[in-house]
Amino acid sequence: EVQLVESGGGLVQPGGSLRLSCAASGFTFSSYWMTWVRQAPGKGLEWVASIKQDGTKTNYVDSMKGRLTISRDNAKNSLYLQVNSLRAEDTAVYYCVTNIDWNFRDWGQGTLVTVSS
Amino acid sequence: QSALTQPRSVSGSPGQSVTISCTGTSSDVGGYNYVSWYQQHPGKAPKLMIYDVSKRPSGVPDRFSGSKSGNTASLTISGLQAEDEADYYCCAYAGGYTHWVFGGGTKLTVL
Repeated sequence: EVQLVESGGGLVQPGGSLRLSCAASGFTFSSYWMTWVRQAPGKGLEWVASIKQDGTKTNYVDSMKGRLTISRDNAKNSLYLQVNSLRAEDTAVYYCVTNIDWNFRDWGQGTLVTVSS
Repeated sequence: QSALTQPRSVSGSPGQSVTISCTGTSSDVGGYNYVSWYQQHPGKAPKLMIYDVSKRPSGVPDRFSGSKSGNTASLTISGLQAEDEADYYCCAYAGGYTHWVFGGGTKLTVL
């Protein structure tokens, strides 16, 4: 059974940074593109970033470019998202997601990031 | 404003069919056969219901079907059941720098 468990969310002050983690199990992690999708409270879904199986290619949403770094450690079956210069509008649940080709197959339960002073 | 346009809400009675539309452009919905649909119950993570426009993952009932015509994709749910009440989001691959775009979501109410 595929399991994706996110962690690292919490309350952070504007301008701060966070590193989100996702522990994957139940599938061959190194064989899949991986993605982060976020959802602001009461709002819709937004694609944030994706990374290729070997980590050599990354893609980021334009609105957050320059503040994001997606990475992975295939030896640890883990996905990461570093978010810098956090703003109130970054408040959201961040989901770790597996890609099936150009679609999103499996979703974690999400980790809540709250940006507030 | 979301990149893909969905109706804010739809409703139907048990046993009926409903269709949710998702309108984009020739750069996303119309440009690739990579449209997917996600079901989200309150407080839960989204669940993949349809991918590649019309394919169903294993375990998804065949009451759920997807299609596309031009720049508009559709999700049809037949034989509505109470447990189908949820939010539904479409998503399309857009290539280039945009990569993926989602619709704003549609709340399905089973009357």
